[in-house]
Amino acid sequence: GAVVSQHPSRVICKSGTSVKIECRSLDFQATTMFWYRQFPKQSLMLMATSNEGSKATYEQGVEKDKFLINHASLTLSTLTVTSAHPEDSSFYICSARDMGSEGRDGYTFGSGTRLTVV
Amino acid sequence: DAKTTQPNSMESNEEEPVHLPCNHSTISGTDYIHWYRQLPSQGPEYVIHGLTSNVNNRMASLAIAEDRKSSTLILHRATLRDAAVYYCILSQWGSQGNLIFGKGTKLSVKP
Repeated sequence: GAVVSQHPSRVICKSGTSVKIECRSLDFQATTMFWYRQFPKQSLMLMATSNEGSKATYEQGVEKDKFLINHASLTLSTLTVTSAHPEDSSFYICSARDMGSEGRDGYTFGSGTRLTVV
Repeated sequence: DAKTTQPNSMESNEEEPVHLPCNHSTISGTDYIHWYRQLPSQGPEYVIHGLTSNVNNRMASLAIAEDRKSSTLILHRATLRDAAVYYCILSQWGSQGNLIFGKGTKLSVKP
């Protein structure tokens, strides 16, 4: 089955620094990837949609200059949290869309990145 | 995307069947019903999906009401590893859209 690899799984950074999270589709090409954020005991909230070779589309309320998304190839999307603050501490999850046959589910999720900003 | 309604939590005993309900009264004719689950500190995992007919796979069964306004995810024999939050999501296949997650049902499995 399709596999999405997300790294790192856990990161602790100092306030004011930047952190990059990688999301790779290992055995399929992902023209579209999605980035979600999940706070404790809450559901996943979509942050942005990343399309290969074009600018990401951000959800309302998500600062595009703070959460930089790059989808430079069909197998890699990155999310950079710039000038991180403690309130950015959260569980970040990526998802890749494989527009394959109808019989196959089209969404595969990474294992998530636990970001703690101290 | 049409909304879904699920109970906040359910409990089950190990090795017993579990029926997780989902209401989606505003479902459109082209909406697929997807079920995902999320174990603690992990990304969501695909469980099953269907359109009109009931579906079975190695993980679960999906029973879809004739009017498609509700569905039920069936775990035939719950194990401790099935303890997770289960999300019922509607999405149109072939669209460029994302999956919108509701609150889901937190399933607890007692030994």
